[in-house]
Amino acid sequence: SQKIEQNSEALNIQEGKTATLTCNYTNYSPAYLQWYRQDPGRGPVFLLLIRENEKEKRKERLKVTFDTTLKQSLFHITASQPADSATYLCALDWDGGYNKLIFGAGTRLAVHP
Amino acid sequence: DAGVIQSPRHEVTEMGQEVTLRCKPISGHNSLFWYRQTMMRGLELLIYFNNNVPIDDSGMPEDRFSAKMPNASFSTLKIQPSEPRDSAVYFCASSLVPSQPGEQFFGPGTRLTVL
Repeated sequence: SQKIEQNSEALNIQEGKTATLTCNYTNYSPAYLQWYRQDPGRGPVFLLLIRENEKEKRKERLKVTFDTTLKQSLFHITASQPADSATYLCALDWDGGYNKLIFGAGTRLAVHP
Repeated sequence: DAGVIQSPRHEVTEMGQEVTLRCKPISGHNSLFWYRQTMMRGLELLIYFNNNVPIDDSGMPEDRFSAKMPNASFSTLKIQPSEPRDSAVYFCASSLVPSQPGEQFFGPGTRLTVL
């Protein structure tokens, strides 16, 4: 069956540095991959989508890469700020016709002043 | 738009009781998803609907769980009878298909505690 792995350990970084989160998957070839942010006590919020034929996508301080050969996506936050502290979830499409997604467990990011 | 609305936000009940969770998707969206989130299992998809029709309920853990979508603006997830292991945060999300970029919009969740 398909499997999605994200860094299980929390990521602690200093303010101003670049945070890099990893999402690996097996036994599947998604048409696209999405990243969501989740704050404590709230629902996930969509950040970025990258398609299988795209190598890289950017939005403000966020950058996502997608390597279908390695079956890996990297999520970068440049010039990180304490307000970026949250859990970040990657999600693969499972049934594009209905926008069904399979989510990874998430990586908790803590940005320290 | 108010976004996806879920009620109640918190529910505490005793084992064996019936629990009903409610969801109002974003107006105009035609796909609706129910998820359960726990520390151990993460965010799990339970069931999803398209145009009010259940498409895949393979994630529903047991017959104790049921979901309905009587119209485009309302869905319920029912647990009967509830058990302590059902304690989790339940999210509802909606989406518009086919669309770009295919994102899902989540509600604030219902935190369920079964004693």
